[in-house]
Amino acid sequence: EVQLVESGGGLVQPGGSLRLSCAASGFTFSSYEMNWVRQAPGKGLEWVSYISSSGSTIYYADSVKGRFTISRDNAKNSLYLQMNSLRAEDTAVYYCAREGGHIVGACFDYWGQGTLVTVSS
Amino acid sequence: DIVMTQTPLSSPVTLGQPASISCRSSQSLVHSDGNTYLSWLQQRPGQPPRLLIYKISNRFSGVPDRFSGSGAGTDFTLKISRVEAEDVGVYYCMQATQFPQTFGQGTKVEIK
Repeated sequence: EVQLVESGGGLVQPGGSLRLSCAASGFTFSSYEMNWVRQAPGKGLEWVSYISSSGSTIYYADSVKGRFTISRDNAKNSLYLQMNSLRAEDTAVYYCAREGGHIVGACFDYWGQGTLVTVSS
Repeated sequence: DIVMTQTPLSSPVTLGQPASISCRSSQSLVHSDGNTYLSWLQQRPGQPPRLLIYKISNRFSGVPDRFSGSGAGTDFTLKISRVEAEDVGVYYCMQATQFPQTFGQGTKVEIK
């Protein structure tokens, strides 16, 4: 069974930093592209960042570019999001989401339960 | 960025009756590889999103056959043939044809 479990969220002051983690199991993590998607309270979904299976290709949404860094450790089956210079508008539930594989194609086929990040003084 | 527009934003439905959600993209979602990467997600209250439909009309593993997707180009539809209580939630369309992936605003399905 595919499982994605996020951790690392919490309350942080504006300008602060947090590092989110996503532990993957039930599939060959190193074969799949991964993403972070966030959802502000009561709002819709916003894609945040993408990383290829090897980690060699990375993309960011303009809203987080230069402040967030995505990475992965395939030996540990883990995905990360380092968030610096946090702003109030970064307050959201952050989900890790697996990119669909060969058959399903480009979509997000599995999602974690999410971790809440609150940026407030 | 491709803008995804869903209608309606709210859909009160009687149990056992059908429901339909439309999604329109600001440009064609046909990829250069010939596929159309339009998917539908369901988010039940307090839950993470869940993939229902991929590539316009393919049901994901474990999705009941009362859910169906259709469309082409820029216009797409999700239909629920007979709404059940467990279908309450917000439904999102999403495109992954062009970077960055973008989502519709969401359509809330609730029981009358």
